[in-house]
Amino acid sequence: EVQLVESGGGLVQPGGSLRISCAASGFTFSDHYMDWVRQAPGKGLEWVGRVRKKANSYTTEYAASVRGRLTISRDDSKNSLYLQMNSLTTEDTAVYYCLRVTGNYYVDSWGQGTLVTVSS
Amino acid sequence: DIQLTQSPSFLSASVGDRVTITCRASQGIANYLAWFQQKPGKAPKLLIYAASTLQSGVPSRFSGSGSGTEFTLTISSLQPEDFATYYCQQLNSYPLTFGGGTKVEIK
Repeated sequence: EVQLVESGGGLVQPGGSLRISCAASGFTFSDHYMDWVRQAPGKGLEWVGRVRKKANSYTTEYAASVRGRLTISRDDSKNSLYLQMNSLTTEDTAVYYCLRVTGNYYVDSWGQGTLVTVSS
Repeated sequence: DIQLTQSPSFLSASVGDRVTITCRASQGIANYLAWFQQKPGKAPKLLIYAASTLQSGVPSRFSGSGSGTEFTLTISSLQPEDFATYYCQQLNSYPLTFGGGTKVEIK
């Protein structure tokens, strides 16, 4: 069974940094691209970005709203996905979901999410 | 960026009703569209990908159609567990984008 478990969310001050993680199990993590998607309280879904697999040089894509501030990385030896968030603003307050991307580039599995709150 | 416009944003329906949700793309995306269902406090769940392919385990009352710029998600006979918010997502080009959502509530 595919499992994605996010962790590391919490309260951070504006301008601060935070790294959240996603632990993957139940599938061969290194074979898959992975995405982050976020959802602000009471709002819709926003795609954050994607990291490809080793065969694609671990290249990344980002939404314009986060490019240069948020960085996606992965450690295949630990079956883990990361989101490093810098220069955070209140607009970054959201539940952050980790997603598995299938071979035909669709997302078929989501974690339960971790809440990041940016507030003074 | 490709914008996805869902309509309606809210609909009220009864158990047994046929429900149709539309997703319009600001430019052609072939069939690179997925539909998700989200219930309160839960992560979204994939229903349909490639515009019309039903994800494994999803009831056959859900169906998707369309290509290019106009897509629909249809629930043939609404069940109590289908009351939720539905989102479309385009995967044609980066940045990937979602529609604004359609909340389906009980009439």
